[in-house]
Amino acid sequence: RKEVEQDPGPFNVPEGATVAFNCTYSNSASQSFFWYRQDCRKEPKLLMSVYSSGNEDGRFTAQLNRASQYISLLIRDSKLSDSATYLCVVSLSGGYNKLIFGAGTRLAVHP
Amino acid sequence: NAGVTQTPKFQVLKTGQSMTLQCAQDMNHNSMYWYRQDPGMGLRLIYYSASEGTTDKGEVPNGYNVSRLNKREFSLRLESAAPSQTSVYFCASSERGTSGKWYEQYFGPGTRLTVT
Repeated sequence: RKEVEQDPGPFNVPEGATVAFNCTYSNSASQSFFWYRQDCRKEPKLLMSVYSSGNEDGRFTAQLNRASQYISLLIRDSKLSDSATYLCVVSLSGGYNKLIFGAGTRLAVHP
Repeated sequence: NAGVTQTPKFQVLKTGQSMTLQCAQDMNHNSMYWYRQDPGMGLRLIYYSASEGTTDKGEVPNGYNVSRLNKREFSLRLESAAPSQTSVYFCASSERGTSGKWYEQYFGPGTRLTVT
């Protein structure tokens, strides 16, 4: 079983749609949680951190359920520029910044 | 401010050839990382360097060696390339705050390596 699992998609949605991505993780010792965005043939970049209380950044809302080991990302009012792959990432404790990446969910927003 | 830079951007090798991937960061980060990314899989850690002078194996170290040349530079070497090492390689760096909390990892643009 993968340590971080995501639906690979692709999610094909029209502009203006609301889309939700889900992610589950297997290691209950996971300490920090993130969504990274990766454009085609580019490097991953941090989209947002995910906190237990939930957090919002403009059109993006992230939620964490530690009991269910489940993370979500909601994108409202999708834009063409949101087309990318969204990576669910968890961080484990330790002496270095150990990140475990999901394989990513691809989003394609069309006119 | 260039962030994390990698060279080369693309490389084609024949089986058995060797090469070194270069990475440098200008953010004064202590920790640096090498990942590989393969289709349908998440990024996997090859090696990391928690601080200058130290290196440790990650999840998939076989077939690779690394050198932390100084605080800025962290190189990855393939001594005898194999087709299974065809992948996209990303270098990253990060820092820890005074509270002990890690800040985000910043990634370089990647090296696309094909081994025939």
